Amino acid sequence: DAKTTQPPSMDCAEGRAANLPCNHSTISGNEYVYWYRQIHSQGPQYIIHGLKNNETNEMASLIITEDRKSSTLILPHATLRDTAVYYCIVVPRLLTGANNLFFGTGTRLTVIP
Amino acid sequence: DTGVSQDPRHKITKRGQNVTFRCDPISEHNRLYWYRQTLGQGPEFLTYFQNEAQLEKSRLLSDRFSAERPKGSFSTLEIQRTEQGDSAMYLCASSLGRFSSYNEQFFGPGTRLTVL
Repeated sequence: DAKTTQPPSMDCAEGRAANLPCNHSTISGNEYVYWYRQIHSQGPQYIIHGLKNNETNEMASLIITEDRKSSTLILPHATLRDTAVYYCIVVPRLLTGANNLFFGTGTRLTVIP
Repeated sequence: DTGVSQDPRHKITKRGQNVTFRCDPISEHNRLYWYRQTLGQGPEFLTYFQNEAQLEKSRLLSDRFSAERPKGSFSTLEIQRTEQGDSAMYLCASSLGRFSSYNEQFFGPGTRLTVL
């Protein structure tokens, strides 16, 4: 599985956009980029995923570069409840079989009032 | 059904004792995963079930660990002869597991194990 690199920590002012980068330079053509987050003392929570195109849902936007070697998760208006560890994970596009998630250490985002 | 549930939420045990954790996945989900998370690290995959079949086990899952999902619904994770290094958060997740590219995993709140 392709490895990801994320900054260990970031701060963001409440109400501003939080832009969390992820490098995945060894990603292959059949691998998705997934983002999960983990709020303190809770299990991880799925946010969004993408293959090639940019994606948006009610939680966030995912911007994937044209060469697919990096991506950015955007929380458009960060709130204090968005303080969490954010994990960028590369997942093989398998039709069958396990899709085990290989978490790294993620980025600890702190939203500041 | 409000999500994945795990029981107990916390367990304190003495070294050498056996412990068992339970996970109840979202009812229509046929894939179930167990992960372990130590302080400051991301979750690490332990094992995975498709219905009642255990299809994959990580090398982290030593022979003191055993997991079951007897009827393809709830699952149990047992640790025998616990060691202090087993202290961690044990997370369960489930997913639909349709034959599609991927289905997001829904995680439970975890069971925090402390081995004294």
